Amino acid sequence: EPEVTQTPSHQVTQMGQEVILRCVPISNHLYFYWYRQILGQKVEFLVSFYNNEISEKSEIFDDQFSVERPDGSNFTLKIRSTKLEDSAMYFCASTPIGLAWGATEAFFGQGTRLTVV
Amino acid sequence: GQQLNQSPQSMFIQEGEDVSMNCTSSSIFNTWLWYKQDPGEGPVLLIALYKAGELTSNGRLTAQFGITRKDSFLNISASIPSDVGIYFCAGRGQGAQKLVFGQGTRLTINP
Repeated sequence: EPEVTQTPSHQVTQMGQEVILRCVPISNHLYFYWYRQILGQKVEFLVSFYNNEISEKSEIFDDQFSVERPDGSNFTLKIRSTKLEDSAMYFCASTPIGLAWGATEAFFGQGTRLTVV
Repeated sequence: GQQLNQSPQSMFIQEGEDVSMNCTSSSIFNTWLWYKQDPGEGPVLLIALYKAGELTSNGRLTAQFGITRKDSFLNISASIPSDVGIYFCAGRGQGAQKLVFGQGTRLTINP
């Protein structure tokens, strides 16, 4: 069964450093998402991406965050200057078409645990 | 912003018991979803609900989309050890891409 894969599974970084989290969505999917989950808390939406541009973003997704689809398979989340409060699990998800049009629901990856020290 | 209130926060039950959890919202959602998350894993979709009043089953799991579009419940019948985990409700509003998640219900089962 196709799946969303994320790398690395765990990343430790120093405060102020840039990090790039990588995702390979399911191959025929067109919409991509990033969510985060602070330890012990609920999953929170960050951003959705379609046709090489952001289609929706939350207030969490400020100027420190950016997303990119650098080639035909990868989807990345960059945090420019990490803060302690960026420590969380980051989940990538994808769907074949937009969720707002009643498509099959998003498939989530296993997540990347980001620890900022 | 939109928020989902999920209850209970945690449940401790005996194997074989039935489980019920629910989510409520002050705003309307067009889609209600229930996910399960195991430690260190991503959320896995259990049931998706798209119409008000809809009642859907997936094995021992049953979920309903409330008539008011502001609530949903999930029932698990005859619980087994592999049901242990955190269950999240999630909703999506009209025309939205994002999912809004509840705080989760942590299910613990005593054998």
